[in-house]
Amino acid sequence: DAGITQSPRHKVTETGTPVTLRCHQTENHRYMYWYRQDPGHGLRLIHYSYGVKDTDKGEVSDGYSVSRSKTEDFLLTLESATSSQTSVYFCATQQAIAPPELQYFGPGTRLTVL
Amino acid sequence: KNQVEQSPQSLIILEGKNCTLQCNYTVSPFSNLRWYKQDTGRGPVSLTIMTFSENTKSNGRYTATLDADTKQSSLHITASQLSDSASYICVVSAYSSASKIIFGSGTRLSIRP
Repeated sequence: DAGITQSPRHKVTETGTPVTLRCHQTENHRYMYWYRQDPGHGLRLIHYSYGVKDTDKGEVSDGYSVSRSKTEDFLLTLESATSSQTSVYFCATQQAIAPPELQYFGPGTRLTVL
Repeated sequence: KNQVEQSPQSLIILEGKNCTLQCNYTVSPFSNLRWYKQDTGRGPVSLTIMTFSENTKSNGRYTATLDADTKQSSLHITASQLSDSASYICVVSAYSSASKIIFGSGTRLSIRP
């Protein structure tokens, strides 16, 4: 367990409202990731970070933005939530990619957009 | 196209029996393959990680195999327990890429007493 916490754990919001999810890690891992998990799909990468203030897009980044001002925190923002963003969101961390090391996942945030 | 396909989608076995889950991938260039266990309502937890030079890796009752030539992997569970009921996810990473991490859709395993 890499000491990853996510907040909130559950959230219900309305279409059009902004939402921010927080991921916090205590292991000083360099890489941090946001994924979404939907029925029938594998986890899909939204955004990732390879250092403080260094972020890049994943395959499903539309409608999402991220920020990483400190090593331990990675924020995911939905500027204007839509029903299609109802999902379970997982944060993950990884110390290195070469040589490859394990990814550690947080407990998830269940987001419902009405 | 980079893909990871797992089979079967779901599996039910009796407690104490063995089972094998399959994973085929087309991710290139290949770096490593991981198996994760995901309990309902929880985040995935790593079971094994293998690079191209490794063809088997064990973690207790879990044994993963990798054939990099045929791009296939399997996860064998020995003497299953009720606590093994979970989804098992195969994940393949491309070489030196922080973002090209492809997840399979998982196999949902149910262990019956």
